[in-house]
Amino acid sequence: EPEVTQTPSHQVTQMGQEVILRCVPISNHLYFYWYRQILGQKVEFLVSFYNNEISEKSEIFDDQFSVERPDGSNFTLKIRSTKLEDSAMYFCASSENGGGNTIYFGEGSWLTVV
Amino acid sequence: GNSVTQMEGPVTLSEEAFLTINCTYTATGYPSLFWYVQYPGEGLQLLLKATKADDKGSNKGFEATYRKETTSFHLEKGSVQVSDSAVYFCALRGKAAGNKLTFGGGTRVLVKP
Repeated sequence: EPEVTQTPSHQVTQMGQEVILRCVPISNHLYFYWYRQILGQKVEFLVSFYNNEISEKSEIFDDQFSVERPDGSNFTLKIRSTKLEDSAMYFCASSENGGGNTIYFGEGSWLTVV
Repeated sequence: GNSVTQMEGPVTLSEEAFLTINCTYTATGYPSLFWYVQYPGEGLQLLLKATKADDKGSNKGFEATYRKETTSFHLEKGSVQVSDSAVYFCALRGKAAGNKLTFGGGTRVLVKP
């Protein structure tokens, strides 16, 4: 069964460093998402991406965050200057199209900022 | 805007007990409704979904019925196993193209042998 894959599974970084989290969405999917989950808390929407541009973003997704689909298969989330409060599990997700279709999630990338 | 409210956990049960997790939502229009499950140390997996009123989603012995009149999508399982120990998230997604999922806060379920 096709799946969303994410790398790395776990990354530890120093505060102020740049981090890039990588995702390979399911191949025929058109809509891509990033969510995050701070330990023990709810899953929060960060950004959605369609047709090579951001279609929606949350208040969390400030100027320190950016997304890119550099080569037609990868979908990346960049955090320019990490803060302690960026420590969380980051989930990439994709869906075939809009509406009520299922959004499929990757296994997550656990980011620890020290 | 859209929102999802689900019962807080943790819910602790004995094996073979009946499980109910309440979920209610607020949304414009008629969203699709989902239950996702997160097993310890793992990512989010779709458990079941329903796309219109009175639809029943089911999987792995779990069921939930889309109740428009009460704006609810309660999750039930008749006889839980230890392997059902996980965090369960109720979520909704509007029907417009590209709409994001909005999650509830999650309910941790612990099943003891």
